[in-house]
Amino acid sequence: GAVVSQHPSWVICKSGTSVKIECRSLDFQATTMFWYRQFPKQSLMLMATSNEGSKATYEQGVEKDKFLINHASLTLSTLTVTSAHPEDSSFYICSARGGGGTDTQYFGPGTRLTVL
Amino acid sequence: AQTVTQSQPEMSVQEAETVTLSCTYDTSESDYYLFWYKQPPSRQMILVIRQEAYKQQNATENRFSVNFQKAAKSFSLKISDSQLGDAAMYFCAYRRVLSDMRFGAGTRLTVKP
Repeated sequence: GAVVSQHPSWVICKSGTSVKIECRSLDFQATTMFWYRQFPKQSLMLMATSNEGSKATYEQGVEKDKFLINHASLTLSTLTVTSAHPEDSSFYICSARGGGGTDTQYFGPGTRLTVL
Repeated sequence: AQTVTQSQPEMSVQEAETVTLSCTYDTSESDYYLFWYKQPPSRQMILVIRQEAYKQQNATENRFSVNFQKAAKSFSLKISDSQLGDAAMYFCAYRRVLSDMRFGAGTRLTVKP
């Protein structure tokens, strides 16, 4: 099946700094990418949906100025957590869907963010 | 809005036995997809089984099968001959065609040797 990678797999940063997480579709072109956040022992919550070349659509309650999403190419989307705080510590999972009528959604392995 | 409900936070099954995980959903759409995902401690989401709403036949994948009741908006997962490796969090998910995926709260499955 198709592969989605995320980098880094684990990042620790100081409060107030910014962190960038990359999501790549390795063997297909992802016209749409999704970013989810998962707190410990909870479910995946959709943060935003991005289409290549367009601005991301954020879910209600997600601060677009804090969670910057860029989907500049068909194989790469980035999530930047700006001015991170300890409450942003979470597991971030990206998911990608291919174009050409393909409706299958593939998940990356996730990134654990710890903000000190 | 579409919602997915998993009413069993935890389930336990004896190795080699059968267990059923429950899931209900709410939607006004007629065409959609339903999924069961497994999330082991590695946190990687693994697709277990997928069901298209327009198909009446229940999907099966080896030891995994679903009971899809469209009118009742119910989508349960049956795991037969449970194995130790089946222990994980299981999430039920709903997606409209070409839309995003929404997840239930999850069920933690424990398999006892």
